[in-house]
Amino acid sequence: DGGITQSPKYLFRKEGQNVTLSCEQNLNHDAMYWYRQDPGQGLRLIYYSQIVNDFQKGDIAEGYSVSREKKESFPLTVTSAQKNPTAFYLCASNGGGSGSFGETQYFGPGTRLLVL
Amino acid sequence: GENVEQHPSTLSVQEGDSAVIKCTYSDSASNYFPWYKQELGKRPQLIIDIRSNVGEKKDQRIAVTLNKTAKHFSLHITETQPEDSAVYFCAASKGAQAGTALIFGKGTTLSVSS
Repeated sequence: DGGITQSPKYLFRKEGQNVTLSCEQNLNHDAMYWYRQDPGQGLRLIYYSQIVNDFQKGDIAEGYSVSREKKESFPLTVTSAQKNPTAFYLCASNGGGSGSFGETQYFGPGTRLLVL
Repeated sequence: GENVEQHPSTLSVQEGDSAVIKCTYSDSASNYFPWYKQELGKRPQLIIDIRSNVGEKKDQRIAVTLNKTAKHFSLHITETQPEDSAVYFCAASKGAQAGTALIFGKGTTLSVSS
């Protein structure tokens, strides 16, 4: 888990503002994921990327955007179109032979986004 | 779409008792089923996982069983301790490819009282 970092730990967004959450991994993992966690809702998939320069929408992609220009980095932008962004955002990665299975996902420490 | 149902949503046990959490999944192509433990404000941590070619896996006090025909898998914790108190999530892979995304259940809050 120490190989995945997220910043900042807390982020405040003003009305109409776009904000970007950082996710970096040094585990040489091919795939990276963004999840949103709300109380009582579990983890819901926003976007994922299985390879550099490619990504797919998850179940709740509306109001979010991502890029995957480098293997190590998968930033998430919460746009002004996301009307209810307050949540705990978790980044994860897998693939490349780490863990007991290539499917094992390891999570970053999370970013808590709050709306002012 | 694909879905994972998890029950119960809350579970309270006495220290030393066993705890069982059950999940069902809908995607017949799912072949990887991890369980995560999340303490308050922390990241989810993998505690055990199983693939579809195995029916049961055990790691000390934790075991997972899988019934692929019924699309049902369960987490069993024996001899529970107060430090087992946390939220537990089950998940199933979206399809069968390595590096695929996971679908999570909504979580079970386990409370172990001493």
